[in-house]
Amino acid sequence: NAGVTQTPKFRVLKTGQSMTLLCAQDMNHEYMYWYRQDPGMGLRLIHYSVGEGTTAKGEVPDGYNVSRLKKQNFLLGLESAAPSQTSVYFCASSPGSRYGYTFGSGTRLTVV
Amino acid sequence: GENVEQHPSTLSVQEGDSAVIKCTYSDSASNYFPWYKQELGKRPQLIIDIRSNVGEKKDQRIAVTLNKTAKHFSLHITETQPEDSAVYFCAARIAHAGGGNKLTFGTGTQLKVEL
Repeated sequence: NAGVTQTPKFRVLKTGQSMTLLCAQDMNHEYMYWYRQDPGMGLRLIHYSVGEGTTAKGEVPDGYNVSRLKKQNFLLGLESAAPSQTSVYFCASSPGSRYGYTFGSGTRLTVV
Repeated sequence: GENVEQHPSTLSVQEGDSAVIKCTYSDSASNYFPWYKQELGKRPQLIIDIRSNVGEKKDQRIAVTLNKTAKHFSLHITETQPEDSAVYFCAARIAHAGGGNKLTFGTGTQLKVEL
């Protein structure tokens, strides 16, 4: 039981490049989330999903897209990376509305 | 939407002393309040949570209190130890159908326990 697994752990992108971050969970959780963490700003919600095939915008969705084609996977895409997207990205999952989150180990992304 | 404020941003205590971190939330419909601990370079981990029908919850050296009228909740750590040094985040969730169990986080408190 690996919990929530994020890949890659580190990545450096040039401005304008694209990439996809993968989040996989093996706990059969319905809900999945993508947050970004920046110094002094806590964790801010980018997008989330309440089930396979569903996605919704969070607090800071601009510049990102997501997909949840399979229940266990939640992908975060950056189509044209910008330096402002330099951050640590955390994926999380939850079994339902009465429970807290389990976080992945994070992806440190630098856009130069 | 929900707004969560957290204070202080940094807190330094002597080993064995108590530490208190406070959070306020804006939406009275919030009904779930977890606390996460994040060590340097690691993922946030849930350490304790409280629901709106409870005023206080304890787990060994950690306790959380909730004042729904004032819309604030606090984390209390007693007999602090060096391994308590970390960043602590509070969070709040608004309960409504289709809301997706979204958590709004505070900006974090860097706790340092000095020997």
